[in-house]
Amino acid sequence: EPEVTQTPSHQVTQMGQEVILRCVPISNHLYFYWYRQILGQKVEFLVSFYNNEISEKSEIFDDQFSVERPDGSNFTLKIRSTKLEDSAMYFCASSVVATSPFFGPGTRLTVL
Amino acid sequence: AQSVTQLDSHVSVSEGTPVLLRCNYSSSYSPSLFWYVQHPNKGLQLLLKYTSAATLVKGINGFEAEFKKSETSFHLTKPSAHMSDAAEYFCVVSDQYSSNYQLIWGAGTKLIIKP
Repeated sequence: EPEVTQTPSHQVTQMGQEVILRCVPISNHLYFYWYRQILGQKVEFLVSFYNNEISEKSEIFDDQFSVERPDGSNFTLKIRSTKLEDSAMYFCASSVVATSPFFGPGTRLTVL
Repeated sequence: AQSVTQLDSHVSVSEGTPVLLRCNYSSSYSPSLFWYVQHPNKGLQLLLKYTSAATLVKGINGFEAEFKKSETSFHLTKPSAHMSDAAEYFCVVSDQYSSNYQLIWGAGTKLIIKP
């Protein structure tokens, strides 16, 4: 069964460093998403991406964040200058239509 | 604005007994509603979804949920719990008539299964 994959599973970085979280969505999917879950808090929407552009983003997704689909298979989330409060589990998801996305296993980001 | 309230942060049941995880939602429009499950160290897996068809929705692993508009509820049930059901369960709402593709998540309910 096809699934969304994410790498790395755990990323540790120093405050102020740039990180790139990588995702490989399911191959025939057209909509891509990033969500995050800070420890002990709700899952929060970050951004959705369709037709090679951002279709929706939340207030969390400020200028420090960017997304890219560099080669038709990967979907990346870049955080330019990480802050302590960026520590969270980041989930990538994809879907054929704009409902019921399939989620990856997540990347746990720890900012020290 | 949409919101989701999961009424219990933890639910503990004995193996073989029924499971009830409660969820209430608030939505300005006709909502799409979902239940996702997260096993330890695993991703978020879709259990079932409601998108304005039948109000009783059957999902994977024997789970089902009933959409009750008058009560704004979408409770998740299973007749007989199994040890492998131990996980965190999330009730989620999406506004299907909006161009906004966001999912709004509940806080989650940890299901504990006692042997």
